[in-house]
Amino acid sequence: DTAVSQTPKYLVTQMGNDKSIKCEQNLGHDTMYWYKQDSKKFLKIMFSYNNKELIINETVPNRFSPKSPDKAHLNLHINSLELGDSAVYFCASSQDAVRTEAFFGQGTRLTVV
Amino acid sequence: GEDVEQSLFLSVREGDSSVINCTYTDSSSTYLYWYKQEPGAGLQLLTYIFSNMDMKQDQRLTVLLNKKDKHLSLRIADTQTGDSAIYFCAEIPGNTGFQKLVFGTGTRLLVSP
Repeated sequence: DTAVSQTPKYLVTQMGNDKSIKCEQNLGHDTMYWYKQDSKKFLKIMFSYNNKELIINETVPNRFSPKSPDKAHLNLHINSLELGDSAVYFCASSQDAVRTEAFFGQGTRLTVV
Repeated sequence: GEDVEQSLFLSVREGDSSVINCTYTDSSSTYLYWYKQEPGAGLQLLTYIFSNMDMKQDQRLTVLLNKKDKHLSLRIADTQTGDSAIYFCAEIPGNTGFQKLVFGTGTRLLVSP
């Protein structure tokens, strides 16, 4: 009964490819997020959705396109993958968009070769 | 700015106390968090503190907040080898409107037997 689940856990792909990472939460939360953790373990928010609407977009290249078909799902699609996109991508959710604690998925390790 | 600073490494012996320090920059942050990341895993919320509190204790964990100096610390009593992980402090800046966790650089705690 994983609260926030991401698939796949590992993703190895070639430069120029397009790939998607899926995220689902069964906590009944209204808000979902994507965070990126680089090779130095630095974590930074990318996007936030509240009730399927984009509320935070942190100067991420437009090759990255989040999609939220419903409030329990937030997928991340990446076009024309570059070497610098290699990172661990974490999905998270929180009860609301204001100040409640976020629960994180296990992460997707993306390696672009 | 949004820089949240932490020392990179801390090494302790099993049974000792560990103190992990964090300096944040946004004095209007209302919530401050500590997350734990074990190797290859996602982020686990350990504890949080409201900005109107000076201290919060939760079993082996003690959080101290010095708002004047914008300093946050996490003390782990009777540290165990299972506590070895990376610890991140995080703040929600007060001016963002929506929740946007800003993470510290992470402290890698190594507990030796």
